Amino acid sequence: EVQLVQSGAEVKKPGDSLKISCKGSGYNFTSYWIGWVRQMPGKGLEWMGVIYPGDSESRYSPSFQGQVTISADKSISTAYLQWSSLKASDTAMYYCARRHMVRGGAFYDYWGQGTLVTVSS
Amino acid sequence: DIQMTQSPSSLSASVGDRVTITCRASQSISNYLSWYQQKPGKAPKLLIYTASSLQSGVPPRFSGSGSGTDFTLTISSLQPEDFATYYCQQSYSTLSFTFGGGTKVEIK
Repeated sequence: EVQLVQSGAEVKKPGDSLKISCKGSGYNFTSYWIGWVRQMPGKGLEWMGVIYPGDSESRYSPSFQGQVTISADKSISTAYLQWSSLKASDTAMYYCARRHMVRGGAFYDYWGQGTLVTVSS
Repeated sequence: DIQMTQSPSSLSASVGDRVTITCRASQSISNYLSWYQQKPGKAPKLLIYTASSLQSGVPPRFSGSGSGTDFTLTISSLQPEDFATYYCQQSYSTLSFTFGGGTKVEIK
């Protein structure tokens, strides 16, 4: 069974650093891109970026480029999303999802349960 | 960036109703479009990919159509478990897989 299991909720202060994780199981982790999606409170979904764990190639939405870092450790089938200096506006639910590619497009077929990040002084 | 515009942003419907949600892309995306359902407090769930292919396990009352810039998600007979928010997403641009703003389906 394919599963993506994310790390638990975090409460941080502005200026703190943070790294959240997404562990894949039940499939070949190195063969599928993993994407990250932000959902601010009461708002819609925002695509942040993706990483290919096989070679750690990453791509970012222009809106998030320079604001976060996406990485992966294929030896433990885990992808990461990290911040070097959090802001209150980073308060959101963050989802990881597996990207499946077929002829005619790509889509996210399996999702993690989400990690709630709260940034408050 | 390719912009995705959904309409309506919300709708009220009754069990058994036929519901149609539209998604428009700011440029042609061929059929590189997927639809997701999200219930409160839950992760999104894939319903439709490549504009009209039904994801395994999704009830056949859900269907998708369209190509180019205009797409629709149709629920043929709304069921109580279908009250949720629905999002479209394009995968044409590898720079950014943008989502639509969402359509909240509420009980009338």
